[in-house]
Amino acid sequence: ETGVTQTPRHLVMGMTNKKSLKCEQHLGHNAMYWYKQSAKKPLELMFVYSLEERVENNSVPSRFSPECPNSSHLFLHLHTLQPEDSALYLCASSQGALAEIGELFFGEGSRLTVL
Amino acid sequence: GQQLNQSPQSMFIQEGEDVSMNCTSSSIFNTWLWYKQDPGEGPVLLIALYKAGELTSNGRLTAQFGITRKDSFLNISASIPSDVGIYFCAGQLRGNTPLVFGKGTRLSVIA
Repeated sequence: ETGVTQTPRHLVMGMTNKKSLKCEQHLGHNAMYWYKQSAKKPLELMFVYSLEERVENNSVPSRFSPECPNSSHLFLHLHTLQPEDSALYLCASSQGALAEIGELFFGEGSRLTVL
Repeated sequence: GQQLNQSPQSMFIQEGEDVSMNCTSSSIFNTWLWYKQDPGEGPVLLIALYKAGELTSNGRLTAQFGITRKDSFLNISASIPSDVGIYFCAGQLRGNTPLVFGKGTRLSVIA
């Protein structure tokens, strides 16, 4: 098993659909993150969970809804998205909250296309 | 907010050449990191720097934490085709603050 696994790898959805992205980490880490990666932009932090509690939400639109049922799993629920939400969504984990020593471990990403 | 200026944005080099890229900030960071992202994959940590002036190597990669704590560079020696990808710098002001990422340097290696 790789350290951080994301499914699905690719997702195409209409603006009225509801879908979810899933992330699982096998590293025994205590914090998990969702990042958005768009072309020619820096990685944008969306959500941070530490010990299953949300500790940071960078003013993300409510059409993105995270869920962290336990320290190994993280979901990103999507509904009524816009075409500009098309991007690569990266999950990451770290030993401590907010990457206390900066070492994030990333998944392979879920490529989302909103039609 | 804090921003990292990473340059160059992209570069094309011949196999065997050395590569240098850098990252600058108007803010001081206490940690600098360099990540590489292969096509279709997530970023992977290459080197982490924790002390001003620190010079750290990882195989053909060498990175330095600038003495002013506002910059860092990454060098790749004797490039090979598998060095292709996007290299990101990231800085952290202190523990319990989010990483700030640069926009990346896209490296292409011509065999």
